[in-house]
Amino acid sequence: DAKTTQPPSMDCAEGRAANLPCNHSTISGNEYVYWYRQIHSQGPQYIIHGLKNNETNEMASLIITEDRKSSTLILPHATLRDTAVYYCIAYTKGAQKLVFGQGTRLTINP
Amino acid sequence: GAVVSQHPSRVICKSGTSVKIECRSLDFQATTMFWYRQFPKQSLMLMATSNEGSKATYEQGVEKDKFLINHASLTLSTLTVTSAHPEDSSFYICSARAPDHQETQYFGPGTRLLVL
Repeated sequence: DAKTTQPPSMDCAEGRAANLPCNHSTISGNEYVYWYRQIHSQGPQYIIHGLKNNETNEMASLIITEDRKSSTLILPHATLRDTAVYYCIAYTKGAQKLVFGQGTRLTINP
Repeated sequence: GAVVSQHPSRVICKSGTSVKIECRSLDFQATTMFWYRQFPKQSLMLMATSNEGSKATYEQGVEKDKFLINHASLTLSTLTVTSAHPEDSSFYICSARAPDHQETQYFGPGTRLLVL
């Protein structure tokens, strides 16, 4: 699976949109971009995934560039409960393992 | 959504004893479950892949005789840490792949193990 690169940390004000970038320049055509987050001392929580098109669900939006070399996870109205480590993973469906990098530690400030 | 549970949520044991951790998929059947370990301030590391009805596949460096995995049904996988030592103290997390959710992996809440 392709390697992803994320900034180690980000801050965002409560109520504002949090935009988390991810680079995956070596992603292959059958690899999806998955986003998970891990709140302190909990298991990772699935957020969203996409292949080529932008995706939106009740938690977030995922914007994937046309060349698929990067993507952005958008939390439209961040709350204090969104403080967590966010992981961007390039993943082939049915593959045996998710490879977690160091992720981005997002802190939402009041 | 797809829900995965783990039991116990935390356990403290003496060195040399064995500890069993259960992972259950509550609302779906999972032919494949995964076991991860996470040390403080580190990312998740895959330990092994558990396939229902067959032997688990272990990642390089993970001792299969120390971390026994059993996937006896489509909703239950167990991880037994045998002869636990203080260095086995960690956060153990399982995940299950949900066929009806586009093969997405869903994670349990984790089990914190402390070996004294």
